[in-house]
Amino acid sequence: QQPVQSPQAVILREGEDAVINCSSSKALYSVHWYRQKHGEAPVFLMILLKGGEQKGHEKISASFNEKKQQSSLYLTASQLSYSGTYFCGTEYAGNTGKLIFGQGTTLQVKP
Amino acid sequence: NAGVMQNPRHLVRRRGQEARLRCSPMKGHSHVYWYRQLPEEGLKFMVYLQKENIIDESGMPKERFSAEFPKEGPSILRIQQVVRGDSAAYFCASSREYGTEAFFGQGTRLTVV
Repeated sequence: QQPVQSPQAVILREGEDAVINCSSSKALYSVHWYRQKHGEAPVFLMILLKGGEQKGHEKISASFNEKKQQSSLYLTASQLSYSGTYFCGTEYAGNTGKLIFGQGTTLQVKP
Repeated sequence: NAGVMQNPRHLVRRRGQEARLRCSPMKGHSHVYWYRQLPEEGLKFMVYLQKENIIDESGMPKERFSAEFPKEGPSILRIQQVVRGDSAAYFCASSREYGTEAFFGQGTRLTVV
C-alpha cells in the first residue's frame, strides 16, 4: 500500500533540475508533497487532486497522472535551500483522509 | 496564526514509564493525525482523529498506545509502559477538512532509556 518513490537519492549542482516520482499500485484520490530537513518537521509543498492537474510553487511544480497512478515533482534551477528529503503522501479513495507516505527521496544540492 | 504546536519537544522516559505527547492543531483545524518516524526512515501513520472521535487507528499498535482528541484541549498520544523500541520522533499534523492540506508540528522526540 505504501507508494514507491524514485530515485532514492539525488545529488545536484546549484541550477540543475531534478524529477522525483511517486507511484502507487492503488487508485489515488490525492497526492501531497512535503520536504523535510534533518531534525525538522515536514513542510507542506503542494497537494494534487484526482483529475491530472498540475500545480506550481515558484520553481517547484508537480503533476498527477491518473492513468499511471503516479505523481512527479519537478525542481527546476535548484537552490541550496532545496536540499532535504522529499516525501509524497498518498490518499486513497474511501480511505478516511489519512496519508500514506513513501520512503522518501533525499536531495542534496551542492554549490 | 500559530501553527501546529507539539509539546514537549524532547521527552526522556525510563523503560516501563508512561509517555504523554500533546498536540494543539492550527486554529480552525478539527482533523488531527499522528505519525511516527524512526531515524532515517519515513513517516508511518498511526491514528486519525476528529474532535472526540477516532476515525482511523489502523496504524496504532494494539497494546500500550492510545490517542484522544477531547472537545476541549489538545490531542494526546499516550504510550504506557514504554520500551526502547518506542524511541522515535512523533509528529502530529492537522487539517481543516478531509482531503485538504495537512500541516505538521515540530514533533516530540521520545527517548526511552
